[in-house]
Amino acid sequence: GAGVSQSPSNKVTEKGKDVELRCDPISGHTALYWYRQSLGQGLEFLIYFQGNSAPDKSGLPSDRFSAERTGGSVSTLTIQRTQQEDSAVYLCASSPTGTGIYEQYFGPGTRLTVT
Amino acid sequence: AQRVTQPEKLLSVFKGAPVELKCNYSYSGSPELFWYVQYSRQRLQLLLRHISRESIKGFTADLNKGETSFHLKKPFAQEEDSAMYYCALISGQNFVFGPGTRLSVLP
Repeated sequence: GAGVSQSPSNKVTEKGKDVELRCDPISGHTALYWYRQSLGQGLEFLIYFQGNSAPDKSGLPSDRFSAERTGGSVSTLTIQRTQQEDSAVYLCASSPTGTGIYEQYFGPGTRLTVT
Repeated sequence: AQRVTQPEKLLSVFKGAPVELKCNYSYSGSPELFWYVQYSRQRLQLLLRHISRESIKGFTADLNKGETSFHLKKPFAQEEDSAMYYCALISGQNFVFGPGTRLSVLP
């Protein structure tokens, strides 16, 4: 079946503008994660959704970042008033369950460039 | 706090040579540890997990609780092993990835 998909694949925006990044997880996967991959910084956890539970937002770097997951499926990561340091590849992953022992399936990522 | 360290940003070896990618973690409890790999122009994908005690593409990793390490090893590196490797610690809702090591296997 189809894997995790993300859109857009590339996004260039001007500093101060808002952006929305979309993630379509694998059908049936209850857990969804957002990460940020920066050059030299590795993979940084942002937020985690598990079913209908309240999301774990502990990794969001500032209140300019928010995410929602509608109907337990598609998720949108929103960055308001973008800054140049927000430039990175944003990765989404889904998993059959959130217990942690199951493999995370990653999307291709969205490369965000803030000019 | 949970933390994963990978001391080498870049590791270069010649084809056929042994390779060891180091991973150390800090966690109070019994962690679940994974290695993920990202080949050029491909998605990040699971390589292996310690609970499976498996060997994938010739790679193995042993959890050493005394040294809090989960080093990834392969006795004979191949050029197609060149990629970015991430060690990850996952426990419950805590997800921590290391900074990654870029492995370059030279011909």
